[in-house]
Amino acid sequence: DGGITQSPKYLFRKEGQNVTLSCEQNLNHDAMYWYRQDPGQGLRLIYYSQIVNDFQKGDIAEGYSVSREKKESFPLTVTSAQKNPTAFYLCASSQQGYAQYFGPGTRLTVT
Amino acid sequence: DQQVKQNSPSLSVQEGRISILNCDYTNSMFDYFLWYKKYPAEGPTFLISISSIKDKNEDGRFTVFLNKSAKHLSLHIVPSQPGDSAVYFCAASVVFGQNFVFGPGTRLSVLP
Repeated sequence: DGGITQSPKYLFRKEGQNVTLSCEQNLNHDAMYWYRQDPGQGLRLIYYSQIVNDFQKGDIAEGYSVSREKKESFPLTVTSAQKNPTAFYLCASSQQGYAQYFGPGTRLTVT
Repeated sequence: DQQVKQNSPSLSVQEGRISILNCDYTNSMFDYFLWYKKYPAEGPTFLISISSIKDKNEDGRFTVFLNKSAKHLSLHIVPSQPGDSAVYFCAASVVFGQNFVFGPGTRLSVLP
C-alpha cells in the first residue's frame, strides 16, 4: 500500500522538552510538507522540502526544525522554543502535477 | 494577510439538498485549486481540483466552479449525504503539486 505514515497518533510531552514527530512516505514523492492545525483554524505551513537535503521555512517555522536526509522521510522536531506546541500536526507529500497527500496526523499535547 | 479565504466557518444543509461551499483568493498568480475534506483527528483527503484554464470540473456528486476574474471558486455537492459532514478546505497553488496555500475551512453539517 502506498501512503504516508505518521507516528505516533498521540504524543504527550512535558514543557521544555524537544520532541520529534515522524513522517514517512512510500509514494516516491519529491516534495514533503509539515502543517499545523489549531482548533477552528486552517492548515498553517511550518516547513517544506522540495528535494532531499533541502528544505524551506513556511509561515510559522519558529521553534521547529526539520531534516530531509532521505526522500521518504521528513521528521519534524518541536523544540522548547516553540511557545504554543500543543496542536494537531499533519505531514503531506506531493509530486509536481498532482495533489498533496496527507498522513493521518499526530496530536501533540505539551503540559 | 490571508491569500485564500473561506468566509463561512460553518454550513448546515438538509440531506438530499445541494451544499455550496465558497472560497475566495487574492493572489492572481494562483493557477491550481483544490478541495480537501477532513474528518476530526484525520488527515485531509483530496476531493477535486481545477486549473485556471477551466471554469468547471465534475466528479460524481462533486463539482467545482472557478471564476478567475472574480477570484472565486465554489464546491457544489449534490445530493448532500450525512457522510459528507466534515470540514472542507480550499487550497491554491501557482504550480500544481507545490506549496499549496490553504483556506481556514468550512464545517459542513448534513442533517438527516
